[in-house]
Amino acid sequence: AQSVAQPEDQVNVAEGNPLTVKCTYSVSGNPYLFWYVQYPNRGLQFLLKYITGDNLVKGSYGFEAEFNKSQTSFHLKKPSALVSDSALYFCVLRGAGSYQLTFGKGTKLSVIP
Amino acid sequence: KAGVTQTPRYLIKTRGQQVTLSCSPISGHRSVSWYQQTPGQGLQFLFEYFSETQRNKGNFPGRFSGRQFSNSRSEMNVSTLELGDSALYLCASTPRGGGGATDTQYFGPGTRLTVL
Repeated sequence: AQSVAQPEDQVNVAEGNPLTVKCTYSVSGNPYLFWYVQYPNRGLQFLLKYITGDNLVKGSYGFEAEFNKSQTSFHLKKPSALVSDSALYFCVLRGAGSYQLTFGKGTKLSVIP
Repeated sequence: KAGVTQTPRYLIKTRGQQVTLSCSPISGHRSVSWYQQTPGQGLQFLFEYFSETQRNKGNFPGRFSGRQFSNSRSEMNVSTLELGDSALYLCASTPRGGGGATDTQYFGPGTRLTVL
């Protein structure tokens, strides 16, 4: 079975400071990892994904994520947070050969002006 | 390209009724997946359709069903609605379906279903 954990329900960060949203995973075989963001009453917007290759993945809106195979982690990062980054962030796992996505519980990010 | 569209955006039903939700994928995408999002359970996979065939199904009762048409548009149906079916229902499309595990799923805005 595959699983995703987002250990923090909420992350608060001051505007202009770096932000990190944590994610760890468990899967047999190669993981395909995604980050999505959801604004209130909206669908999920794709930010970035790791398939293979470079462990540092760059995505939309200045976000990036670091894949660490030994720690089975895929943390989302941004060097300088904006108030508009405040939203719900989901780490998502798809195992190789699997049809479906497994979602983390989500982390609510609040950027304080 | 237009994104994934879902209709209706909001729906209010009463217990025991049935409901049909519609999803139009991004042009050229052949796979549609459906998800249920609730505050308690988070996002849960319902089913995936590719070329009018259900490829995979999540752990939901038979009251939840779906279908896909030849133009890749998909509908999901929930019969005999229960209060616990109140949720945001999201659909997502990808170009290739199950064989494209690396494909990004693109989500629609969702249908907010409220069961009274």
